[in-house]
Amino acid sequence: ILNVEQSPQSLHVQEGDSTNFTCSFPSSNFYALHWYRWETAKSPEALFVMTLNGDEKKKGRISATLNTKEGYSYLYIKGSQPEDSATYLCALPIGGAGSYQLTFGKGTKLSVIP
Amino acid sequence: GAGVSQSPSNKVTEKGKDVELRCDPISGHTALYWYRQSLGQGLEFLIYFQGNSAPDKSGLPSDRFSAERTGGSVSTLTIQRTQQEDSAVYLCASSLGIRTGDTGQYFGPGTRLTVT
Repeated sequence: ILNVEQSPQSLHVQEGDSTNFTCSFPSSNFYALHWYRWETAKSPEALFVMTLNGDEKKKGRISATLNTKEGYSYLYIKGSQPEDSATYLCALPIGGAGSYQLTFGKGTKLSVIP
Repeated sequence: GAGVSQSPSNKVTEKGKDVELRCDPISGHTALYWYRQSLGQGLEFLIYFQGNSAPDKSGLPSDRFSAERTGGSVSTLTIQRTQQEDSAVYLCASSLGIRTGDTGQYFGPGTRLTVT
C-alpha cells in the first residue's frame, strides 16, 4: 500500500500572505507525483505532474518542488488570494512507471481570508 | 472543449435502493476512472477502463458495485442495495492513455450521493 501523507490538513491565511504545504511519500519506486486543486463545487484540476528529483514547476503564483530521495514535495502559493481557497491534493501512481492507478493524499484545505 | 461531465450532480436515496451514476468523458480519451471521496478520507480508486480491455475492478469495495463503459465512451457506475456507508462524492476522470504517471487526469464535477 502506497502511503501518501499531506500536511497540514487545513490552513487559514490572510490575503496577500505566502504559504506552503507538504506531500510526503515513500521514496522507493518513485515514478511521478501529481498536484491537483479542488475548489468547492468544481472538478479537481491538475496543477503539475513532476517526475525528476529537484524539479521545480510554476504556474502563476503557484509553484512546486520535488525531492524524490527524501520523499517529499512542497507546494508554494505566493501572495494568496481568496480564489486560491481550495483543497490541494497530491497523488502518485501506485505501481510506478506505466501505472494507471493514483493514490491520493487526504489533501490540504486552504482558506484565504480577504 | 467540453470537459468530463457527470450526472446527477446530487442524489439522495433510501437505504436498500439501487442507484446509477453516469460519466461522459472527454472525447478521444481512452482511459476512464471512477473514484469516491468519503467524509474525511482521500480520493479512493474504484475502477479503471482502458479502451476495449477488461476493466480493472480491484478498487470496488463490494459486489454491490459495478460499472460498465459502452462504446468506449459513456460509463455508468451502479450501486445496488445502497448502504449508508456508500454516501460519498463519486468522481469520474478521463485521460488520453494508460500512462497516467506522465499526464494528469481530467475530472468531472462529481456526484454527491447521500444514502438515508
